[in-house]
Amino acid sequence: DAGVIQSPRHEVTEMGQEVTLRCKPISGHDYLFWYRQTMMRGLELLIYFNNNVPIDDSGMPEDRFSAKMPNASFSTLKIQPSEPRDSAVYFCASSWQAGVNGELFFGEGSRLTVL
Amino acid sequence: SQQGEEDPQALSIQEGENATMNCSYKTSINNLQWYRQNSGRGLVHLILIRSNEREKHSGRLRVTLDTSKKSSSLLITASRAADTASYFCAPHQTGANNLFFGTGTRLTVIP
Repeated sequence: DAGVIQSPRHEVTEMGQEVTLRCKPISGHDYLFWYRQTMMRGLELLIYFNNNVPIDDSGMPEDRFSAKMPNASFSTLKIQPSEPRDSAVYFCASSWQAGVNGELFFGEGSRLTVL
Repeated sequence: SQQGEEDPQALSIQEGENATMNCSYKTSINNLQWYRQNSGRGLVHLILIRSNEREKHSGRLRVTLDTSKKSSSLLITASRAADTASYFCAPHQTGANNLFFGTGTRLTVIP
């Protein structure tokens, strides 16, 4: 398996534009997580899914952020409209059993810069 | 808070020395995991220690867990320049299905 695949790796956009980040989890994994990493706040858990269903989105900063998982092999994180303070690296991770007995597998991240 | 707190925030050592990083947490846990992040990359799982274990080894890594003190330590022996990275602990809270991470320990190994 190629691991967790995220796209784009880098995105530069202007304030007010819509941003869509994509994630393909490892086949067979039933949990998918979206994290955001900044120098100031470290790694923040935004939302996670179990079997394509959002379980906890309490980490989503505000209504401008939304996430979907239409099927087991694809998830999106959308920011609309984007703001400069959204600049960060966004990571997707997948796992089997949600860390209870195993590990999270992370993608390489999507570095977002909002000008 | 469900996340662990790593200490120190930064650590700089010479190649060949041992590096010790500590993690404190506040909840009851099923297990505690350590991850490494190289600059510009995603996190990579290093080792998992269960709540009923006190010590675990994997190659040059040694992890200890003291549930009474709610703390863990990661020891990297005979460090190499390639060990330069940030290290994160992630305590897996009992009953939870997610993992929270702190801000990590940034380790620099000087050749």
